[in-house]
Amino acid sequence: DAKTTQPNSMESNEEEPVHLPCNHSTISGTDYIHWYRQLPSQGPEYVIHGLTSNVNNRMASLAIAEDRKSSTLILHRATLRDAAVYYCILRSFGANSKLTFGKGITLSVRP
Amino acid sequence: DTGVSQNPRHKITKRGQNVTFRCDPISEHNRLYWYRQTLGQGPEFLTYFQNEAQLEKSRLLSDRFSAERPKGSFSTLEIQRTEQGDSAMYLCASSSDSATGELFFGEGSRLTVL
Repeated sequence: DAKTTQPNSMESNEEEPVHLPCNHSTISGTDYIHWYRQLPSQGPEYVIHGLTSNVNNRMASLAIAEDRKSSTLILHRATLRDAAVYYCILRSFGANSKLTFGKGITLSVRP
Repeated sequence: DTGVSQNPRHKITKRGQNVTFRCDPISEHNRLYWYRQTLGQGPEFLTYFQNEAQLEKSRLLSDRFSAERPKGSFSTLEIQRTEQGDSAMYLCASSSDSATGELFFGEGSRLTVL
């Protein structure tokens, strides 16, 4: 599986935007970029995914670089509930594709 | 539907004992995954089912581990002769057949081996 690189941690202030970066320089043409997050004492939950174009949903936005070697998860207004570990994952398009998690980035939100 | 359900939520056992975890996926989901997570690490893939067929197993899944999904619905993960290194959170997830379908995770079963 192609690998992603994320900073270990990031801090933000409540109600401010947060940009979580991810590098994936070895991404292949059939890899989708997925983001999951894991709140304390819970299983991971899906946030967003994309292939080439930027994507928006009710939780976040995903900005994908033109060469697809990096992406940024954008939380438009951080809340205390957004404090979690965020995982950037490349998932190959295929019937049996699984998610391979790294260590993720730990986001702390200051009140 | 209440999502993916895992039981028990917590299990404390002595080294050498066998333990079994159960996962009930979202009812219409054909795919079921097991992961293991230790403190400070991301979840590690263990195995994957498409309906009742076990299609992939990680090298992490030693011969003491066995997973089944007998009728393509719920799944069990059994660990025989537990070791202290088996202490972890065991996570189950399910998804639809879509190649990019999101995985829905349960809250996990935490195993402590004394």
